[in-house]
Amino acid sequence: DIQMTQAPSSLSASVGDRVTITCRASQSISSYLNWYQQKPGKAPKLLIYAASNLQGGVPSRFSGSGSGTDFTLTISSLQPEDFATYYCQQSYSTLRTFGQGTKVETK
Amino acid sequence: QVQLQESGPGLVKPSETLSLTCTVSGDSVSSGSHYWSWIRQPPGKGLEWIGYIYYSGSTNYNPSLKSRVTILVDTSKNQFSLKLSSVTAADTAVYYCARQVGSGWLYFDYWGQGTLVTVSS
Repeated sequence: DIQMTQAPSSLSASVGDRVTITCRASQSISSYLNWYQQKPGKAPKLLIYAASNLQGGVPSRFSGSGSGTDFTLTISSLQPEDFATYYCQQSYSTLRTFGQGTKVETK
Repeated sequence: QVQLQESGPGLVKPSETLSLTCTVSGDSVSSGSHYWSWIRQPPGKGLEWIGYIYYSGSTNYNPSLKSRVTILVDTSKNQFSLKLSSVTAADTAVYYCARQVGSGWLYFDYWGQGTLVTVSS
């Protein structure tokens, strides 16, 4: 299995802050890395696919980067609606795996 | 607009079989452009991919669940289904169905709202 490890597990931030979440794969996954946002009681929502491609309708304050084993999700200026849990997911292996999640909370 | 909707019992007894159906609208499970997946999330925990089916009927399952999982597709009803046998309390989770892009980067672009299944006597 390809293990996905996110850091941090949680963070506290304020509206307007720049937020960075990292995701590390246990082996190289090229750019087969996707990011999702999940709010309480809701299904995950695709934000970024193929490491750096913004899904349609997602605000441009979200961006992704990385390849191989190390990836980053950045929110350039945190908005009130961005407080949520974020998951990375690899689609390199036929066994799809997710990171454990990063909860972004209000400071 | 693509929509997926899970349906099925919210309570299953231990050792019995969990059965869920996902009804798709706005797309066809026969299109050949996507894989149709099941993903679950235990209360307060992270996401676990269960498996997917292609319109042809070919499947791919998470090895940790493979001995207990069956995913089927019904193209006439534009649905796909999940059966998980011999359930225990550890199978209590919100179950999501999702559409996975079938070529290229293979991401999950549409999800159902999820349905909570509790395993309890």
